[in-house]
Amino acid sequence: AQKITQTQPGMFVQEKEAVTLDCTYDTSDPSYGLFWYKQPSSGEMIFLIYQGSYDQQNATEGRYSLNFQKARKSANLVISASQLGDSAMYFCAMRVRSNFGNEKLTFGTGTRLTIIP
Amino acid sequence: DSGVTQTPKHLITATGQRVTLRCSPRSGDLSVYWYQQSLDQGLQFLIQYYNGEERAKGNILERFSAQQFPDLHSELNLSSLELGDSALYFCASSTRGGGYTFGSGTRLTVV
Repeated sequence: AQKITQTQPGMFVQEKEAVTLDCTYDTSDPSYGLFWYKQPSSGEMIFLIYQGSYDQQNATEGRYSLNFQKARKSANLVISASQLGDSAMYFCAMRVRSNFGNEKLTFGTGTRLTIIP
Repeated sequence: DSGVTQTPKHLITATGQRVTLRCSPRSGDLSVYWYQQSLDQGLQFLIQYYNGEERAKGNILERFSAQQFPDLHSELNLSSLELGDSALYFCASSTRGGGYTFGSGTRLTVV
């Protein structure tokens, strides 16, 4: 079974500082994908960044980067130069895909990030 | 607009009733997934359809059912509703090998 653990229920960060949101995962499947989503108070799920298990380099998307440490089974999200609009819930998720075409995302419990002006 | 359309956005209904949630996937996406987000259970995978066929099942109650139609839109049917079914229900779609795009969700309130 797959499991995602996010140990920080809430974080407060000063505007313009960098922030790291922790995520560890557990799977016995060698092929998997790791995602981060942002959920603002309006409720929608916004895709931020993706890392495949065989990717050699850490993924980056603008101010977002994923610190992928495969041996430690961690996939931390780093947001550089935080902005007030970054205040939201952040979810880490893992996809494992079978040969039969079935797949699902398993989500962590989320981290509520609040950016302080 | 993510390209995944969910209707209705809000739904208030009484216990014991039945409701249908609708999802239109992003153009070209063959897979549709349903998720339930509640305060106590977090984000839970319910079911996956691929090109009209059920492919994976998660923590979906027997009172819940889903289907994907030939035009690829999907419906999630919730029956004999209980207070605990109140949640935000998300639909997501994907192409094979691609990422997931989520709709804006349907917020269901059972009173």
